[in-house]
Amino acid sequence: EAGVAQSPRYKIIEKRQSVAFWCNPISGHATLYWYQQILGQGPKLLIQFQNNGVVDDSQLPKDRFSAERLKGVDSTLKIQPAKLEDSAVYLCASSPLAGGPIDTQYFGPGTRLTVL
Amino acid sequence: GQNIDQPTEMTATEGAIVQINCTYQTSGFNGLFWYQQHAGEAPTFLSYNVLDGLEEKGRFSSFLSRSKGYSYLLLKELQMKDSASYLCAVTRGNTPLVFGKGTRLSVIA
Repeated sequence: EAGVAQSPRYKIIEKRQSVAFWCNPISGHATLYWYQQILGQGPKLLIQFQNNGVVDDSQLPKDRFSAERLKGVDSTLKIQPAKLEDSAVYLCASSPLAGGPIDTQYFGPGTRLTVL
Repeated sequence: GQNIDQPTEMTATEGAIVQINCTYQTSGFNGLFWYQQHAGEAPTFLSYNVLDGLEEKGRFSSFLSRSKGYSYLLLKELQMKDSASYLCAVTRGNTPLVFGKGTRLSVIA
């Protein structure tokens, strides 16, 4: 079974520029998550989709971050404009069920973003 | 809110046993996950505990005490490849995982 795919793996941009990340979850997984992981910290949830609907985006900085999951499969996360503090690894994860308490999440390799 | 605490760093010797603790404070606790994350890689699932007690899976075991808000991950027969960060994460109700900051384990010869 193919894992969660993400691209690009690395991205370097200057502050105030825009950037987009792409995620393809494991086939058949209903729930998709985007996390931000700053160096030395655990992943922090940005947004959770179930199929193509948003379940939780309470920690997404909506003035600059946006995400969509068209057709309930692939997802994109965009930052516009980027700030220095957005430098982090952006992880995508998917889970097979409805995101319940024991729904195991499978992570992609992440996109390492550096904002200069 | 949720508060999850785990040691920042630990060092252990190859072949030894190491215990990584995690304490949490949250209402409506549902379950606790452990993930392993090698440097520059994605977290990979190790275990989850919903009920009190010990879950064993090969060299790795995870323990949970719901009344004490406490869990540990036990790694036996340590190997160099076990050098990684170990992330404790909890779920509350139907909310998504909340991760601790992780414990960076270094295995030395």
